[in-house]
Amino acid sequence: AQKITQTQPGMFVQEKEAVTLDCTYDTSDPSYGLFWYKQPSSGEMIFLIYQGSYDQQNATEGRYSLNFQKARKSANLVISASQLGDSAMYFCAMRGHSGGGADGLTFGKGTHLIIQP
Amino acid sequence: EPEVTQTPSHQVTQMGQEVILRCVPISNHLYFYWYRQILGQKVEFLVSFYNNEISEKSEIFDDQFSVERPDGSNFTLKIRSTKLEDSAMYFCASSQPYPGTEETQYFGPGTRLLVL
Repeated sequence: AQKITQTQPGMFVQEKEAVTLDCTYDTSDPSYGLFWYKQPSSGEMIFLIYQGSYDQQNATEGRYSLNFQKARKSANLVISASQLGDSAMYFCAMRGHSGGGADGLTFGKGTHLIIQP
Repeated sequence: EPEVTQTPSHQVTQMGQEVILRCVPISNHLYFYWYRQILGQKVEFLVSFYNNEISEKSEIFDDQFSVERPDGSNFTLKIRSTKLEDSAMYFCASSQPYPGTEETQYFGPGTRLLVL
């Protein structure tokens, strides 16, 4: 079974500061993918960034980067230069590769990030 | 940019009624999924669908749920006899095949279902 743990229920950060959202995972699959999604108050799930378990380099997408530490089973999301529009719920998720291409994602409970001006 | 669409955005129904939630996945995607999110909780996987059949389902996806791809574009989730605890946001998602291609699942905007 897979498990995602997000230990920060909520965070307050000053605008323009960098933010690190924690995520640890547990899986017995030798190959897996890790994802971060953003859920603003409007409710939609917005894909932010992906890291494959065999990727040698940490993933980056604009202001988002994923600090992947495989030995520690952690996949923290780093948001640089935070903006007011970054205020949202952030979910870490993983996908094992045991079921072929159609594995469902396992989500963490999320972190509610609030950016303060 | 292609996106997943879902209809309706909101649905209110009486307990015991059947509901059908509709999704149009991204056109060149082959894998389709349904998830639900009870208010204030995490997103939970329900079912995945590939090549016109269910690939994987969670223990939440019991006999009251069914999925169908009635034509080349739509993907539906049917709840046969709704219960109060089915009230949730239901998300459809789609992805391209794995391995060798991007495995990211792209989510639709969701259907908020309220069972009274």
